[in-house]
Amino acid sequence: EIVLTQSPGTLSLSPGERATLSCRASQSVSSSYLAWYQQKPGQAPRLLIYGASSRATGIPDRFSGSGSGTDFTLTISRLEPEDFAVYYCQQYGSSPETFGQGTKVEIK
Amino acid sequence: QMQLVQSGPEVKKPGTSVKVSCKASGFTFTSSAMQWVRQARGQRLEWIGWIVVGSGNTNYAQKFQERVTITRDMSTSTAYMELSSLRSEDTAVYYCAAETTSRDGYNCWGQGTLVTVSS
Repeated sequence: EIVLTQSPGTLSLSPGERATLSCRASQSVSSSYLAWYQQKPGQAPRLLIYGASSRATGIPDRFSGSGSGTDFTLTISRLEPEDFAVYYCQQYGSSPETFGQGTKVEIK
Repeated sequence: QMQLVQSGPEVKKPGTSVKVSCKASGFTFTSSAMQWVRQARGQRLEWIGWIVVGSGNTNYAQKFQERVTITRDMSTSTAYMELSSLRSEDTAVYYCAAETTSRDGYNCWGQGTLVTVSS
């Protein structure tokens, strides 16, 4: 089983600042099948990034993903008020398709 | 627009089973894959398993292998997740999610179904 470790656990930033979230895998993620999701309280997750770096339909270009192998990054270039949420990575290259524990981006 | 609508909240006794439904619309159900994920209050997302709708092939997390069955009914564009031998630790919100284009991530999510297991 691939274990995904996200860091930091909480990121305290102000609107307009840049957010950098990390997702590290215990083994190489097959074919960069790594996705990022955003979840707000009481809501279902929303797909932001798939294939490590491809933005999902309708996702603003301030969200970008990068990385390969075992190290992946989600960057939000300038935080908007609606971006404060919990972010999860998921690898879907091998079974079980595990999730990280999440990074909470909160308003400073 | 793409949509997944799940069945309503359930309250179950320990040792019983629950079956959650997930009705799809707005995309080609038969060309999709559906995953099921759960989330206990304040906890991370936990992957349960998936089904490739067209073939019916399934894959389950080992943790749930003995207790979960994921099925689909192509005539009604509905996927199902049945979990048996329920225990209190199974109390969680259960989500279905569709991968509408192969390997492009799960881009359509249901609203979630709260399953409460309590004696």
